[in-house]
Amino acid sequence: EAQVTQNPRYLITVTGKKLTVTCSQNMNHEYMSWYRQDPGLGLRQIYYSMNVEVTDKGDVPEGYKVSRKEKRNFPLILESPSPNQTSLYFCASSPQTGWKTQYFGPGTRLLVL
Amino acid sequence: QQPVQSPQAVILREGEDAVINCSSSKALYSVHWYRQKHGEAPVFLMILLKGGEQKGHEKISASFNEKKQQSSLYLTASQLSYSGTYFCGTERGTGGLTYSGAGSYQLTFGKGTKLSVIP
Repeated sequence: EAQVTQNPRYLITVTGKKLTVTCSQNMNHEYMSWYRQDPGLGLRQIYYSMNVEVTDKGDVPEGYKVSRKEKRNFPLILESPSPNQTSLYFCASSPQTGWKTQYFGPGTRLLVL
Repeated sequence: QQPVQSPQAVILREGEDAVINCSSSKALYSVHWYRQKHGEAPVFLMILLKGGEQKGHEKISASFNEKKQQSSLYLTASQLSYSGTYFCGTERGTGGLTYSGAGSYQLTFGKGTKLSVIP
C-alpha cells in the first residue's frame, strides 16, 4: 500500500531534550516536506527536500533540522525543543515532476513541557 | 506571507453551493487545494497552474486568475461528506516578483475555511 508513515504518532517531551520524528514513504517520490499545524494558523511549511541531499527552508525553519540521506526517509530533528514547538506535525511527499499531488502522513502530535 | 482565505467559515445545507476564495499578495506559479477532516491528514483536491481551470473532483472545481493572484474553489450541490476545513496552498515562481517558467516548490498555505454541511 502506497503510504507515508510517521513515528512516533504522539510524543511528550521536556524542554531541551533532543528528539527526532521520522518520516518514510514507499512511493519513490523525489519531493518531501514537513509542515506544522497550529490552531488558527493553518499549515506552515518547515523544510522541504527536492531529492536526496537537497533540502531548503520553508516559512518556519527556526529550531528545526532535516536531512535527506535516502530517498524514502526525511527525518525532522529538534535539537533543543521549546514549548512553542508544541504542535501537530505532518510529513508529505509527492513526485517532483509536475507537482501532481502531495500525500500526507498521519501526523505527529508533539507536546513540549 | 500566507494567502488570505475567505470566508473563514461557512455553513451550508445539503445541495447548496459554496465558493471559497484564496488571495495572495505575491505573484503565483500554482495554487493547490486540500481538504482536511477533523483528526485526519489533509487530502489533495486539485492543483491549478497559470490561470487554468481544472475539475479535480465530481462537483468541485476551481479557477486561478494569475493576474489578480486569486483562486476560487467551487463546491456545487454540497454533500455531507464535503464538511471539513479547506486550505489553499500557493507556490511562488522563481525569478523575483514575476514567475518564470519554474515553480519554487515552497508552498505557503492559508489559514483555512471551515465548511459545515448540515442535512
